[in-house]
Amino acid sequence: QVQLVQSGAEVKKPGASVKVSCKASGYTFTSSYIHWVRQAPGQGLEWMGIIIPSTGNTDYAQKFQGRVTVTRDTATSTVYMDVSSLRSEDTAFYYCVREPYRGACYFDYWGQGTLVTVSS
Amino acid sequence: EIVLTQSPGTLSLSPGERATLSCRASQSVDSNYLAWYQQKPGQAPRLLIHGTSSRATGIPDRFSGSSSGTDFTLTISRLEPEDFAVYYCQQYGSSLYTFGQGTKLEIK
Repeated sequence: QVQLVQSGAEVKKPGASVKVSCKASGYTFTSSYIHWVRQAPGQGLEWMGIIIPSTGNTDYAQKFQGRVTVTRDTATSTVYMDVSSLRSEDTAFYYCVREPYRGACYFDYWGQGTLVTVSS
Repeated sequence: EIVLTQSPGTLSLSPGERATLSCRASQSVDSNYLAWYQQKPGQAPRLLIHGTSSRATGIPDRFSGSSSGTDFTLTISRLEPEDFAVYYCQQYGSSLYTFGQGTKLEIK
């Protein structure tokens, strides 16, 4: 079965960086797309960016361009999201999610979420 | 950017009743690119509906989706206790994915 398993919770100071991992299994890693979506505690959902595992191509919401970098390792079917210059407003659950095929434009599987807390 | 506005913010109903949740887009949305998700406390969201009206795998047929112009609707025909949760709509357009702010469906 399809699974997206994320790395554990992180606590960071303002200005630091965090790297969250997402290991995919149960399907052909390069046949789907992986996105990142975040949710501040008690708030709604916000799309951050996408990576196409087969090519490594990425795209980001304008809000996150220059501060978020998504990469992948096809050998381990793992996607990584790096967020730099963290501020308190970045405290949120970060989810990796799967877009099942090119052009689907919806998210059929979600990771369990990684809580990133930014606090001095 | 296409803004999705969900209403009501909170909907209070009893098990067995019919729920109608609304999602209005600020401009035209391709009906192929409108989805609905359910989120329960402490859990990740779960896909319910994609392409406006196609149920995801394993989703009961009491969940249905429809549209009229820029208005999209999620209907739950007969509420079960496990249906009380927060619901989000989501769209794709102009290389951007956006979500509505959510509707909380609570037990009356």
